[in-house]
Amino acid sequence: DAGVIQSPRHEVTEMGQEVTLRCKPISGHDYLFWYRQTMMRGLELLIYFNNNVPIDDSGMPEDRFSAKMPNASFSTLKIQPSEPRDSAVYFCASSPGGGYTFGSGTRLTVV
Amino acid sequence: AQSVAQPEDQVNVAEGNPLTVKCTYSVSGNPYLFWYVQYPNRGLQFLLKYITGDNLVKGSYGFEAEFNKSQTSFHLKKPSALVSDSALYFCAVQKDTGRRALTFGSGTRLQVQP
Repeated sequence: DAGVIQSPRHEVTEMGQEVTLRCKPISGHDYLFWYRQTMMRGLELLIYFNNNVPIDDSGMPEDRFSAKMPNASFSTLKIQPSEPRDSAVYFCASSPGGGYTFGSGTRLTVV
Repeated sequence: AQSVAQPEDQVNVAEGNPLTVKCTYSVSGNPYLFWYVQYPNRGLQFLLKYITGDNLVKGSYGFEAEFNKSQTSFHLKKPSALVSDSALYFCAVQKDTGRRALTFGSGTRLQVQP
């Protein structure tokens, strides 16, 4: 099992550009979570899915953020337009219902 | 609402000495409790969990944690620290029913000195 796979590992973009982060969960895990990690705010839950359906998106900062899970093996987190304050490490995690397995994260820098 | 408190930003311990990283939680209902470790530029790795049963839980790399319901605590321990244990440690809580998302503490940086 390759674990949770995130791409890209690093992303540097200019303010105002669209950014798309990708995640492939572990096969058979029916929960998928997107977290954001910053020094100031720690680990924040953005959104999570169960069986591809968004369950709780209350952590999504604003309308600039959107997440989709078109099938059980793929999810995206999109930021449009991006702003410097979106700079953070974004983690995807999947779970069969108990503990999580995290991906290695995407380090996003918006300049 | 559920929450986790890790009162120490950093814990320093000498190699070979026992270590404790503190965690207290707040949740309505029965908690599921977890510890994760994060090394630089890496994702979080699972260490151990408490779901039910024995209050002393053993996990990876010689770590253990004790669930104390009356004190709402789940402290992480290791009898003999290694320099390679130096990392960022996160405690997390989840309700046993309903919402499946973990709530994480702010993290504690463990520094083990040779």
